[in-house]
Amino acid sequence: GESVGLHLPTLSVQEGDNSIINCAYSNSASDYFIWYKQESGKGPQFIIDIRSNMDKRQGQRVTVLLNKTVKHLSLQIAATQPGDSAVYFCAEITVRGAQKLVFGQGTRLTINP
Amino acid sequence: DTAVSQTPKYLVTQMGNDKSIKCEQNLGHDTMYWYKQDSKKFLKIMFSYNNKELIINETVPNRFSPKSPDKAHLNLHINSLELGDSAVYFCASSHGLQGRLDNEQFFGPGTRLTVL
Repeated sequence: GESVGLHLPTLSVQEGDNSIINCAYSNSASDYFIWYKQESGKGPQFIIDIRSNMDKRQGQRVTVLLNKTVKHLSLQIAATQPGDSAVYFCAEITVRGAQKLVFGQGTRLTINP
Repeated sequence: DTAVSQTPKYLVTQMGNDKSIKCEQNLGHDTMYWYKQDSKKFLKIMFSYNNKELIINETVPNRFSPKSPDKAHLNLHINSLELGDSAVYFCASSHGLQGRLDNEQFFGPGTRLTVL
């Protein structure tokens, strides 16, 4: 059988459905959070961001929710399309201290026709 | 009109060799970065440079030496390559320091390094 951790978490959804990708972050002092999309053979691409003093932010077909109490971030993609198939990463930044972008484990989103 | 470009895209080499990866950005950014992405897709920063000065060095072996001849270029030289260096290396750039809010990073297409 497969060992946990050898493969990315995977989410499969039907085309046209909504998808929710979750992320648990580690640093309660993080000031800023970003979702990136990485398509096969390409570098990560910025999707949407949110400051720590907000709990929700909406973009075009995407919404990011931030729950600081449980240190949880989610990305909602509405009406998924084949082009949404990719690996999605959350990332956090702390402006003070190390001042570096820390990426979470990615989630592979597969859109079924 | 590529914003952040890297060469080569693929690099296959033997253990013990020395190799370089080049990165160029035409966005007028002040800060450039190198990231390593392993086989599990885990992405971690290695270095960042702001105006040609080293800002972040994330406990990377000294076999890895970044070089920034000017603000638009950040090259990565790797000495004595090891099997564990096999990964995809991404260059990125942004306007200011990484810790600033609303400071989007733009990533290059990556260089897949395979050490045999």
